[in-house]
Amino acid sequence: SQQGEEDPQALSIQEGENATMNCSYKTSINNLQWYRQNSGRGLVHLILIRSNEREKHSGRLRVTLDTSKKSSSLLITASRAADTASYFCATDDSGGSNYKLTFGKGTLLTVNP
Amino acid sequence: DARVTQTPRHKVTEMGQEVTMRCQPILGHNTVFWYRQTMMQGLELLAYFRNRAPLDDSGMPKDRFSAEMPDATLATLKIQPSEPRDSAVYFCASGLQVLASGANVLTFGAGSRLTVL
Repeated sequence: SQQGEEDPQALSIQEGENATMNCSYKTSINNLQWYRQNSGRGLVHLILIRSNEREKHSGRLRVTLDTSKKSSSLLITASRAADTASYFCATDDSGGSNYKLTFGKGTLLTVNP
Repeated sequence: DARVTQTPRHKVTEMGQEVTMRCQPILGHNTVFWYRQTMMQGLELLAYFRNRAPLDDSGMPKDRFSAEMPDATLATLKIQPSEPRDSAVYFCASGLQVLASGANVLTFGAGSRLTVL
C-alpha cells in the first residue's frame, strides 16, 4: 500500500516560474524524501528531510515538512525546461523497525520553454 | 559513479513462462528494494532486504513471485508463471541505511520493462 500521495497529479508551467508540489502521508515517519524520474529512467534522489526538521534547501529546491499535518511540499524555483519530470515523495514508517520506503504516485511537472 | 545494474532491460514473454530479473546493488549498500511501476498503481513495493535478509514482502503476490539475495552482489525477482497483468517496469534500488535514524537514500537501477503476452 502507498503511504504518500502527491498533489497535483500534473502541473504545467512556463520556464522561469516556480513549481510547488505537495505530499501527504498517513502514518508517523522518521524521514521524508523527494525523488525525480525522467521519462523512461529510474528515480533519482533529490533531498531528504528528517522528521525533526521543518525546512531544507538544496540549490533551487526547497522542502518543507509539517508533521502535525502529515504533509510536505517541494518548491522548485526559477524552473527550467530540463526540470520536466515526475516527482515523487517517499516515506518510511516509524511505527515498525524495518523503515521500509514507500512512494506516492507522483506529480508530473511540465516546464514549457 | 556507482550504479545499480539491472538485467534484462526489456523482456517480452508469453503467459505462463518463467521470468527472472536480476539486480547488482552498489557495493557496500546494506538494503535492496524491488518496486513495480505501472500507470494505474504507481510505484508498488514488492520486496525489501537488509543485509540480505528479507524484511518485507507483503506487497508481493506470494503464489507466483519470489525474491532472493543469494549473495551481496545479486538480488533476483522471479515470476512463475507470468501473467499479462504482470506487465510493468520493475525497479531495483539499493541504499545504505543508517539504523539510528532510518535514513536510507536509494539509488535506482534503470529498470526492467516486462511485457507478458
